Amino acid sequence: DTEVTQTPKHLVMGMTNKKSLKCEQHMGHRAMYWYKQKAKKPPELMFVYSYEKLSINESVPSRFSPECPNSSLLNLHLHALQPEDSALYLCASSQDKRTLAKNIQYFGAGTRLSVL
Amino acid sequence: AQSVAQPEDQVNVAEGNPLTVKCTYSVSGNPYLFWYVQYPNRGLQFLLKYITGDNLVKGSYGFEAEFNKSQTSFHLKKPSALVSDSALYFCAGRYYGGATNKLIFGTGTLLAVQP
Repeated sequence: DTEVTQTPKHLVMGMTNKKSLKCEQHMGHRAMYWYKQKAKKPPELMFVYSYEKLSINESVPSRFSPECPNSSLLNLHLHALQPEDSALYLCASSQDKRTLAKNIQYFGAGTRLSVL
Repeated sequence: AQSVAQPEDQVNVAEGNPLTVKCTYSVSGNPYLFWYVQYPNRGLQFLLKYITGDNLVKGSYGFEAEFNKSQTSFHLKKPSALVSDSALYFCAGRYYGGATNKLIFGTGTLLAVQP
């Protein structure tokens, strides 16, 4: 099973709303990632968690707040977003951050976010 | 600076013809290279990787890639294209920088296979 599950598939929110994106994997992977992807562009790395600890924050604005409650779950809390934050948000996982390059990242189908 | 380049925004090929999607890289250390495919409204799917060993790497759905160290290239190939291969293809390489190992993605190539 190489599945990464993301919910919801679609989300529309206002600039004053608070919402959360959820990501789940049951492959025993200990590294999990959040990416942001604009249409027809490559994914941009936002955060990396390794063994449930935040290891990379790519200078993401504080209106995005990640959380890793356990080794299978990854959340992205959203608050006071801007219209330019509208994008496809992808979650991925891999076996181990320290051997990231050797290990494949498995991606979820993403959450398409629209900020009005 | 480390980078991965995909020089073609779009590649058009007729069904049944061979296809090539180009990728060149400039990374530190030993190159670890990947190809991913993205269908509309979906996440990225892993196709194949090069870490070490044979320069010709075979992957999913009949795709293969040729690693060429002297030309710093990692082109994706398939002997006979299918309409269902139409998608966005990303080449990626390991970013080598202390503890911040992560993937560097190319800009993507849209493959259009005409029936």
